[in-house]
Amino acid sequence: ETGVTQTPRHLVMGMTNKKSLKCEQHLGHNAMYWYKQSAKKPLELMFVYSLEERVENNSVPSRFSPECPNSSHLFLHLHTLQPEDSALYLCASSQDWGGGTETQYFGPGTRLLVL
Amino acid sequence: GNSVTQMEGPVTLSEEAFLTINCTYTATGYPSLFWYVQYPGEGLQLLLKATKADDKGSNKGFEATYRKETTSFHLEKGSVQVSDSAVYFCALINNDYKLSFGAGTTVTVRA
Repeated sequence: ETGVTQTPRHLVMGMTNKKSLKCEQHLGHNAMYWYKQSAKKPLELMFVYSLEERVENNSVPSRFSPECPNSSHLFLHLHTLQPEDSALYLCASSQDWGGGTETQYFGPGTRLLVL
Repeated sequence: GNSVTQMEGPVTLSEEAFLTINCTYTATGYPSLFWYVQYPGEGLQLLLKATKADDKGSNKGFEATYRKETTSFHLEKGSVQVSDSAVYFCALINNDYKLSFGAGTTVTVRA
């Protein structure tokens, strides 16, 4: 049990659908992250939130829209995705953002398939 | 920029064998180094970390030593079990505060 939960665990959606991924952390952390894990590629950092403010946006297409309503919850809203967006989406949290030794704790991920 | 290179897998070995996964990095300054493990169907779990040169991280029988002179952080375990079958990721975080991962090494341990 890592203290970071993600729902749903699996999602299949068409290219015209709109869906949302949810992440919740029970660790009292102030920073939360979205990563994309594709086959045979290193993990890609997508977004970082610190104290509910976005501090990093790594050139992610606008069809991915993050939302952080409070320090415990993070959403990733999806719309008009492409098949190449199929991947494992991982959420993580850390105590704070900006410390060089911060350990990030990961959730189990949402396996997304775009048809 | 920062980057992490790990040995390509897959690695297949028998129970009780010795495991080494090589990891080298490129970074300015003094990054913190991590090994994460991903078991089948799960997310990443922190396995161990080291925050300064010559530090040794250890957990669950795994060890890795931060070697600044060789910019390496090789993962070792003296006697692996079937339950150690997983994907192992080397990673670093530097003064840009971004966690950079290697590509991952798949390890399969056979009974």
